[in-house]
Amino acid sequence: EDQLVQSGGGLVQPGGSLRLSCVASGFPLSDYSMNWVRQAPGKGLEWVSHIISSSRTIFYANSVKGRFTVSRDNAKNSLYLQMDSLRVEDTAVYYCARDGRRGYDFDHWGQGTQVTVSS
Amino acid sequence: DIVMTQSPDSLAVSLGERATINCKSSQSAFYSSKNKNFLSWYQQKPGQPPKLLIYWASTRESGVPDRFSGSGSGTDFTLTISSLQAEDVAVYYCQQYYGTPPALTFGGGTRVEIK
Repeated sequence: EDQLVQSGGGLVQPGGSLRLSCVASGFPLSDYSMNWVRQAPGKGLEWVSHIISSSRTIFYANSVKGRFTVSRDNAKNSLYLQMDSLRVEDTAVYYCARDGRRGYDFDHWGQGTQVTVSS
Repeated sequence: DIVMTQSPDSLAVSLGERATINCKSSQSAFYSSKNKNFLSWYQQKPGQPPKLLIYWASTRESGVPDRFSGSGSGTDFTLTISSLQAEDVAVYYCQQYYGTPPALTFGGGTRVEIK
C-alpha cells in the first residue's frame, strides 16, 4: 500500500523555524512530483509548494515564497519542508501530497502534522 | 490570482437523495493541447486528510463509488452524489491548476450533511 508518513511540526514562536518531513513507503518517491498543502484551523485547503522528481523545478504559493523551502532526498524516499520566519498566520495542519501525474491533482496524502506559531 | 467559488457553502440532503455541489473558476480549466479540464474533487472527513474523488473533471479515482460523478468544462463544474449515504458526510473541495508557473487553487469547500 502506498503511504506517506509525516513527522515534525509543533509549537514555535513568531519568527522561528521548523522542518517537516514526509517519508514515502510502498512506492519510489523518485517516480513522483510532490506537494505540500496546509489547512488553517476551521478553514479550507491551501496549496503551499510543488517539487518535481528531480528537484529542478519548484513552485511556491506567494504566501510562503522566500520563507519556506521544499526539498527531497529520493534515496531516502523523503520530502521536506523547511519553514523559516514563521508567522501566526502559518498556523495550520500541513499535509504532504503525491502528485497524481495527471495534471497537478493529489492522489495520496500524508496524515498531516500540526504547526502552531504563537508567542 | 485564480479564484474558485463553491456553492452552496453547506447542504443537508436526505439519505438516498441527490446532492449537487457547484464550483466556478475565474479562469478556464480546459487545456486544448491536452483536450482535458484539469479540475479535481476531494472529500475530507473530520480529522482525516483529503481524499481524491475525481480528476480531469469527470474521471473517478480508482475505488471511488460510482454514486460520485463529476461534470462540467471550462469554468463551471459540478460534483454529484447520486444517492447520499451516511458515510458521505464530509466537506468537498474542488481544485484546479492554472498557468505557468502553476497556481494550484482550492475552492472554499462545501459541507454535506444528512437531513
